[in-house]
Amino acid sequence: KNQVEQSPQSLIILEGKNCTLQCNYTVSPFSNLRWYKQDTGRGPVSLTIMTFSENTKSNGRYTATLDADTKQSSLHITASQLSDSASYICVVSGPGTYKYIFGTGTRLKVLA
Amino acid sequence: EAGVAQSPRYKIIEKRQSVAFWCNPISGHATLYWYQQILGQGPKLLIQFQNNGVVDDSQLPKDRFSAERLKGVDSTLKIQPAKLEDSAVYLCASSPPMYQETQYFGPGTRLLVL
Repeated sequence: KNQVEQSPQSLIILEGKNCTLQCNYTVSPFSNLRWYKQDTGRGPVSLTIMTFSENTKSNGRYTATLDADTKQSSLHITASQLSDSASYICVVSGPGTYKYIFGTGTRLKVLA
Repeated sequence: EAGVAQSPRYKIIEKRQSVAFWCNPISGHATLYWYQQILGQGPKLLIQFQNNGVVDDSQLPKDRFSAERLKGVDSTLKIQPAKLEDSAVYLCASSPPMYQETQYFGPGTRLLVL
């Protein structure tokens, strides 16, 4: 069964600190993996997208890594800001399909 | 570029009542999705349109949910009759015609069924 699991479920950090969110998937065959940021009361917004041949992708203070062999991805947030408080959702899709499999997300809270 | 528009933003109804949600995708986006997001969970696909044709509605509870996309642009999602477990945020997303393109989400409609 195609699944996407994220950890931790929630995370609290202090402003300025770094953090890493994890995503493990069993989707096979695999085509690409996306990380979305979802602010409270809003729809998800795309942060990064990686294909199976890419190992890392950055978007400002957000850096995503991908290990297609172990089917793991991580999202690293550097020098966190209060505005980083949100849910981060990992989404995986296979080739030749419009289907996207969503993880349940990690809720991040950044405290001043 | 205008984003995906949804209305209403909030809706409160009693169980067994009917409700409809509206979505206007980004201009030129052929693919439109409706998702249901229950609190604390990731979005779950309800239905996917390519232009005005249905690509995937395998997870749509067809006994109570219906959706249409007239003329391949705007779309409406209807629930009739609503149940308590339908309380969720209903997200609309659109993407360009090529598959594997990034989805752009609207702000969602938050539904509370009492």
